[in-house]
Amino acid sequence: NAGVMQNPRHLVRRRGQEARLRCSPMKGHSHVYWYRQLPEEGLKFMVYLQKENIIDESGMPKERFSAEFPKEGPSILRIQQVVRGDSAAYFCASSGSNYEQFFGPGTRLTVL
Amino acid sequence: GEDVEQSLFLSVREGDSSVINCTYTDSSSTYLYWYKQEPGAGLQLLTYIFSNMDMKQDQRLTVLLNKKDKHLSLRIADTQTGDSAIYFCAETVYGQNFVFGPGTRLSVLP
Repeated sequence: NAGVMQNPRHLVRRRGQEARLRCSPMKGHSHVYWYRQLPEEGLKFMVYLQKENIIDESGMPKERFSAEFPKEGPSILRIQQVVRGDSAAYFCASSGSNYEQFFGPGTRLTVL
Repeated sequence: GEDVEQSLFLSVREGDSSVINCTYTDSSSTYLYWYKQEPGAGLQLLTYIFSNMDMKQDQRLTVLLNKKDKHLSLRIADTQTGDSAIYFCAETVYGQNFVFGPGTRLSVLP
């Protein structure tokens, strides 16, 4: 049973470009969470999604950031017009019917 | 809003016990977690405890929960160099909006 998959593992973008981060949850999991971790800091919740629904986006910046979890395929976190302050590790987690969250290896975004 | 606090650093000698502490503010928390993060890696779930429990033991790990004081601790017995990592405490109310602490960086000295 494969764990949570994230790709790419490392992503480099120039200021103003778009970043797309993908997350495939564990098999059978229908809940996906995105977190951001700045260097030397803890994790900050961004968004919680179920298939085709955003349940809680209280941690998402109001502009440039969006997330989706379509009926088919991975969850996508999209950052438009990236700025240097977006450089961070972005982690995805998934859970099933209980309250255990399993984390992916993260995508490390570097904005030049 | 909810908040989770942890001390940022802890150093112990190999073979000693480590105790990592965490306090939280949300009295309606139902699940509390300990995660381990090694350098450059994602978070690994170590253990979790329901809010109606006060202790959980799993091999070298012991979790203690004082719900009255909103205090959670993780004890690692016979700490090894491989235990060096950042340990995150987290809480949730019914599985939505997990709140993480800042992490405690555990250094194990030979």
